[in-house]
Amino acid sequence: DVKVTQSSRYLVKRTGEKVFLECVQDMDHENMFWYRQDPGLGLRLIYFSYDVKMKEKGDIPEGYSVSREKKERFSLILESASTNQTSMYLCASTLAGGGTNTEAFFGQGTRLTVV
Amino acid sequence: AQSVTQLDSQVPVFEEAPVELRCNYSSSVSVYLFWYVQYPNQGLQLLLKYLSGSTLVKGINGFEAEFNKSQTSFHLRKPSVHISDTAEYFCAVSDRSRGATNKLIFGTGTLLAVQP
Repeated sequence: DVKVTQSSRYLVKRTGEKVFLECVQDMDHENMFWYRQDPGLGLRLIYFSYDVKMKEKGDIPEGYSVSREKKERFSLILESASTNQTSMYLCASTLAGGGTNTEAFFGQGTRLTVV
Repeated sequence: AQSVTQLDSQVPVFEEAPVELRCNYSSSVSVYLFWYVQYPNQGLQLLLKYLSGSTLVKGINGFEAEFNKSQTSFHLRKPSVHISDTAEYFCAVSDRSRGATNKLIFGTGTLLAVQP
């Protein structure tokens, strides 16, 4: 059974803290993604990575950074958490290439609250 | 660039009634099309996808969708819904150009609320 695992389901952090959200996939996928989900806005892409140490900005990268040191792990970093980063964060992965490789597999999500 | 529009933020329907969730997209390139479902407090799960071939696509749990290129639509349908279908449904597109990165562009979602 394919799996994308996010390290925490719920997190509460203080304003100004550095926050790490971890995602691990066991499918040997090349591509990994971080999305943010907010009511009425759907899912918006923050960053994605198509290979180890390779990354590209998505639509809303401000206030975030990422790290991909190993193929199976993709970390999202909030350098200095702010209340407007309170949200649900979803990690996903896909194979490279088109066609059936485009199917994305998602983790369970991390609900982050910044107080 | 691509965009996806789901005009209905919420669709209430009675159990065993048919339902249609609308999705329209805009893109300057050819796309793959997807519907994902999110049950409460869970991640997203693929319902169905259109890659090529027949424009009528069947997915899990009795759902189907039809790709209409001229209307740039990919509406989701089910002939008879169950209480367990209550969830949020997301339409998404992905660029099918050679070398594309498989990133998904999502609509804002439609909450399907099935009532007894």
